[in-house]
Order: sequence, then structure tokens, then C-alpha cells
Amino acid sequence: DVKVTQSSRYLVKRTGEKVFLECVQDMDHENMFWYRQDPGLGLRLIYFSYDVKMKEKGDIPEGYSVSREKKERFSLILESASTNQTSMYLCASIDWAGWTFGYGYTFGSGTRLTVV
Amino acid sequence: AQKVTQAQTEISVVEKEDVTLDCVYETRDTTYYLFWYKQPPSGELVFLIRRNSFDEQNEISGRYSWNFQKSTSSFNFTITASQVVDSAVYFCALKSWGAQKLVFGQGTRLTINP
Repeated sequence: DVKVTQSSRYLVKRTGEKVFLECVQDMDHENMFWYRQDPGLGLRLIYFSYDVKMKEKGDIPEGYSVSREKKERFSLILESASTNQTSMYLCASIDWAGWTFGYGYTFGSGTRLTVV
Repeated sequence: AQKVTQAQTEISVVEKEDVTLDCVYETRDTTYYLFWYKQPPSGELVFLIRRNSFDEQNEISGRYSWNFQKSTSSFNFTITASQVVDSAVYFCALKSWGAQKLVFGQGTRLTINP
């Protein structure tokens, strides 16, 4: 089974801190995604990457950046954390070869970030 | 623009009842894909099904069934004889052909009471 692992389950950070959320997948997937989940809003895409060093903005990129130096790792960076970035963050990946067999996106367990 | 609406914010039923989760979508694309995901308390989104826009066959998998109707832009999910383990948040999502991202609905929190 493909595994998408997010390094922290819970994080508490102070306003203004630089925060790194890490995501690692173990199946050589080209595409990786960062979503943010808020009650009543579902999941919204922050950034995605379709290859090493490649990135594209999603629907809500403001206040975030990303890094993909290796294929298996996709990092989400909050340059200066603010309280309105308190949320659940979910990483996902997909391999287009698997897509042809009817698979979906594989998600990690999420990181619940609280900014105080 | 693409949009997915799950009008039911929360549903609560007693075990063994049947329950249907509604999903209505909007897209101008002719080729697209619809998904259902389950999010148990552990937080991970678990892939349940993917349906292609050109395949309107309904699907049954054990106690789960899905009804896809292009005429009403709906992709509803029914759990038959619900169990406590079915308690979770369920998300419906849409992806256009050629697009990378999934567009999610707001989610429906399903609680099955013993």
C-alpha cells in the first residue's frame, strides 16, 4: 500500500514563527498536494507539485510557500504563522499510472496546527 | 467554475438504518471524475470510489452503493444497514480531465448510534 506520512500529528506554534510541515510518500508518485481543511469549507488546495522543484499555486496560496527538493518529500512552509492559519493540513499524492487503474489520491493523516 | 455541494452538514441515525449522503456538483467539462472519501477520527482520508463521467453505471460494494445521475448532476452515496464503524466525515470531490486538483464538498458528518 502507498503510504503518505506527515511528520507531525499536532503542532502548536506562536504567531510570527516560521513553520515547516513535512510530507513524505513512499511510492515514487510524481504529484503531491497540500490541502487545508476547515469546518464548513471542506478541503481547499494550497499548493501542488508535479515534479521535483516544480510547484503550482492552488486556490489559497497566500501566506504559504512550498519546497520539493526530492521526489518523495513535499514541504509546506508558513513564512510567518498567523492565528488564521490554525487548521488541519492534509498532504496527498497520486501516480498517474495508478490513475489508469481507477485509483484515487492517497492522503496522509493530517497535521493539526494551532497558532497562538 | 467547479463546485461540489454536500447540503447535509450532519446526519445522525441509529445502527442498522439505511442512510444516504447527497452530493451535487457543477462543472462545464464533459469529462470529469467524481470521488467519495471517508475521514474517520484518525484524520486520514480513505478513498472509497472514483466514477468517470462517461460511466453512469451505479456501483455496489458490500453495504455501500453509489448512484450517479448526470441529468441531475448528483453522485449520492448510500450505506445500507449502517454500523457504528461507519461514523466518520464523508467528502464528495470532483476533478476535471486535465486538471490536477480535487474540488471538495463541505463534508457530511455521519454519526451512527448504537
